Amino acid sequence: EAQVTQNPRYLITVTGKKLTVTCSQNMNHEYMSWYRQDPGLGLRQIYYSMNVEVTDKGDVPEGYKVSRKEKRNFPLILESPSPNQTSLYFCASSFGGGSRPGANVLTFGAGSRLTVL
Amino acid sequence: DAKTTQPPSMDCAEGRAANLPCNHSTISGNEYVYWYRQIHSQGPQYIIHGLKNNETNEMASLIITEDRKSSTLILPHATLRDTAVYYCIVRVGAASGTYKYIFGTGTRLKVLA
Repeated sequence: EAQVTQNPRYLITVTGKKLTVTCSQNMNHEYMSWYRQDPGLGLRQIYYSMNVEVTDKGDVPEGYKVSRKEKRNFPLILESPSPNQTSLYFCASSFGGGSRPGANVLTFGAGSRLTVL
Repeated sequence: DAKTTQPPSMDCAEGRAANLPCNHSTISGNEYVYWYRQIHSQGPQYIIHGLKNNETNEMASLIITEDRKSSTLILPHATLRDTAVYYCIVRVGAASGTYKYIFGTGTRLKVLA
């Protein structure tokens, strides 16, 4: 089944303890991205990647890092989590490919709910 | 960056058509409009997308104005399972080689029995 898989789905951690949220897709998608969702603010893009070894900042990148060493994986790293990073996180992917119809339809993961105490 | 504006909430009677508007007045000429919905806190689900012509699929219809500054998602016969938050999204930055998806805060549609 074509899907985007995120782990963990739920995590409670403490301030300053490094954590990684993994994201993997099995659709050979070139484009991958991370979003956070907070009440009243909708989804905001954190980072995105156009392809292997190509990443760029979204609208809210502060406090996060990403890497894209393989096409299928796009982990989100919180080096020193703080309570304001408590949020619901989504990973998404698409074929990319510019303006081809359908190429940029995003497939989302199920979400990872992170609580930082 | 292009921004989308949607009403925060709407109600619709079950079996009636739900018409959800979106303003995207700063969309660039070759960028598509995408619609997604999110049920509770699940991952957003793709519904439909379009460029300038009206589009229809098994889930919905999309009407885009001629000037492309706004669009309307139509759920022809809303059911209780259509209760969700609906997002109108544009992708920006293609000209500069960046690709951000602007989600906005969406419209919370409540389908009433």
